[in-house]
Amino acid sequence: GAVVSQHPSRVICKSGTSVKIECRSLDFQATTMFWYRQFPKQSLMLMATSNEGSKATYEQGVEKDKFLINHASLTLSTLTVTSAHPEDSSFYICSARRASAVSNQPQHFGDGTRLSIL
Amino acid sequence: QKEVEQNSGPLSVPEGAIASLNCTYSDRGSQSFFWYRQYSGKSPELIMFIYSNGDKEDGRFTAQLNKASQYVSLLIRDSQPSDSATYLCAVLTTDSWGKLPFGAGTQVVVTP
Repeated sequence: GAVVSQHPSRVICKSGTSVKIECRSLDFQATTMFWYRQFPKQSLMLMATSNEGSKATYEQGVEKDKFLINHASLTLSTLTVTSAHPEDSSFYICSARRASAVSNQPQHFGDGTRLSIL
Repeated sequence: QKEVEQNSGPLSVPEGAIASLNCTYSDRGSQSFFWYRQYSGKSPELIMFIYSNGDKEDGRFTAQLNKASQYVSLLIRDSQPSDSATYLCAVLTTDSWGKLPFGAGTQVVVTP
């Protein structure tokens, strides 16, 4: 299998709080992980690509100082939403690709984190 | 032109019928094609992948790939109410650097 664990599943916190979300590949190594955001009834939006041992690549319009990504090992990437505000409330989902010599590996998704900023 | 395009639906399908979903893509060099299912409020789940032209069957699901026409389809046979979800098509393109461009998804509603 290819299991991706994401924690926490739900966060409710006050405006101005920083929130850290963890994404772990449990049974495979992932050189690349991805972070998405999804607002209600909208499409998945890729925020950034996280590469083990290097800086993340952010999509256009995503503030890298607002959304800090760390990919310190082959099985763990973290997303920190700094000084979160109500407009950051969303469903954050990570995914991971198995490290492989072939390039056609699919992405496997975590269960997502529902972030609500009051 | 978007990299991956799908009809947003909703696609209403009677229980027991076949649901047919289509996806077109722009990069002729694309090699890998994936279908994900996303239930409301949940994260996407991989249900099928296909790399070669033709059909690939897995249970009630069949993926069909036609590289010449640049489309990939998903058929759901004997549709069940539990198949009601949004189905996302994803295509690994030659210049996506490992990113997986997703279509906007087709919402399927299976009616009893």
